[in-house]
Amino acid sequence: QKEVEQNSGPLSVPEGAIASLNCTYSDRVSQSFFWYRQYSGKSPELIMSIYSNGDKEDGRFTAQLNKASQYVSLLIRDSQPSDSATYLCAVDSGSARQLTFGSGTQLTVLP
Amino acid sequence: NAGVTQTPKFRILKIGQSMTLQCAQDMNHNYMYWYRQDPGMGLKLIYYSVGAGITDKGEVPNGYNVSRSTTEDFPLRLELAAPSQTSVYFCASSYSENEQFFGPGTRLTVL
Repeated sequence: QKEVEQNSGPLSVPEGAIASLNCTYSDRVSQSFFWYRQYSGKSPELIMSIYSNGDKEDGRFTAQLNKASQYVSLLIRDSQPSDSATYLCAVDSGSARQLTFGSGTQLTVLP
Repeated sequence: NAGVTQTPKFRILKIGQSMTLQCAQDMNHNYMYWYRQDPGMGLKLIYYSVGAGITDKGEVPNGYNVSRSTTEDFPLRLELAAPSQTSVYFCASSYSENEQFFGPGTRLTVL
C-alpha cells in the first residue's frame, strides 16, 4: 500500500520564523508532489507543486524534493499568523492522476 | 467560473437512510474524485472518474456508489447510511499534472 507520512505535529513557530514541514513517501515511481493548505473547516487549497529534484520557490514558500531519499519538504519563510493551518502532503499514486495524502501537519504561527 | 461546487453543505442522516451528495465543476475537467476526511486525518479516496461514463473504486469505496453521465457532474450515493460514514466529503477535479481543485465539502453526520 502506498503511504505518505508526515510529522503530525502540532508545530508552533514564532511570527517571522521559518516553518519546516516534512513528508516521506513509499512509492519510488511517484513523479508529482504537492502541498495543500487547509484552514480549519475549509477545503484543501493547492499552494505548491514540484516534479523535479531540488528546490522550487514561490514567494515565501519553498518546496524541496529528493527522490532518492523519497522525501519532500515545505519551507515557509517569514511565517505569519495567517499561515496557521494544516498542511497536507500529496503524492501521485497511480493512474488517473490519483493522489495519496498524508495525514497533515498542523502549524501554528504565534504572534 | 464557480470552480467545484458541492451540495448540501451539511446533512444529518439516520442510520439506514440514503442520500446523494452532489458535485459539479465548470472547468471542463476530465478527472473527478470523491474523498472523505475524518477528524485529524488526511483524505481518503472513495471513487474517481476519468471521464463521462467511466468510474473506478478508490481506497475506501464500500457503502458508496457513483455515476458520471456528464463531464460536469459526479454525484456520490450513500446507501444504508452507517455511523462510520460520518465524515466530511470533498469532491475534486483535475485537468492536468495531478493538480486537483477541491469543492467546499459536505459535512455529514449519521446518527
